[in-house]
Amino acid sequence: SYELTQPPSVSVSPGQTARITCSGDALPKKYAYWYQRKSGQAPVLVIYEDSKRPSGIPERFSGSSSGTLATLTISGAQVEDEAEYYCYSKDSRDNHEFGGGTKLTVL
Amino acid sequence: EVQLVESGGGLVQTGGSLRLSCAASGFTFSNYWLHWVRLVPGKGLVWVSRITGDGSYTTYADSVKGRFTISRDNAKNTLYLQLNSLRAEDTAVYYCARDRAVGGMHYFDYWGQGTQVTVSS
Repeated sequence: SYELTQPPSVSVSPGQTARITCSGDALPKKYAYWYQRKSGQAPVLVIYEDSKRPSGIPERFSGSSSGTLATLTISGAQVEDEAEYYCYSKDSRDNHEFGGGTKLTVL
Repeated sequence: EVQLVESGGGLVQTGGSLRLSCAASGFTFSNYWLHWVRLVPGKGLVWVSRITGDGSYTTYADSVKGRFTISRDNAKNTLYLQLNSLRAEDTAVYYCARDRAVGGMHYFDYWGQGTQVTVSS
C-alpha cells in the first residue's frame, strides 16, 4: 500500500526554524496538505496545495514540495506550535493517505 | 463559523455496536461531502468513509467495509457513522471532516474535535 513517510519527532528551541518532511512516490503528481493536531482539539489545516496558507494561519507556516518530498516549515517556531503534524495526499489510485505524524516539540 | 461537533463515542465490547453523530453548523450542509477519519493509537490518522452531499454515494476503507455505515440527515444537518461488529483495532478517536474539492483533489478543510471509541474484550 502507498505510504507517506514522516519523521516521528522534530525538536527545536523557540525562535528556531522547524522543518517537517513528508516523502511519497505520488507527490510529484499530487498536492500535499498539512494538518496540525493538538490534544483534545480539532485538527487544523495549515497548508493546502503544497504551499498555500489558509486565512488565519500565521505567516510563519509555509510549505513546499519538490519531487517526492513535501516540507512544512515553521519559521520562528513558538511554544504554541507544539503539536502533531500530519501530511495528507492521495495515492495513484485516488485513495486518501496520511503520513504517520510528526510530534513537534518547541522548548 | 463552521462547526462540527461529534458525539456518541464510548466503551463497547468486541462485537458490539455504536452510532456516532456529527452535528454541523455555519455552512450549507447539503452542499458538502463529508468524511469520517479516525486517529488510531500508534498509527495516526486513517481515513474511514465518505458520503456525497445528497447521500447517494458512499465509500469506505477496506478495513471497515461491511461493518460501518455512513449516512446523513440534511434536514437535521447531521452526519452519522454506524459501527457494527466492532474489533479492538477500531479503538480510536473518530473525527468528522468537511470535504473541499479543488481541481479534482479532495481534502478536509474543517474538522470536529473528535469522539473516543474504545473497544474492549
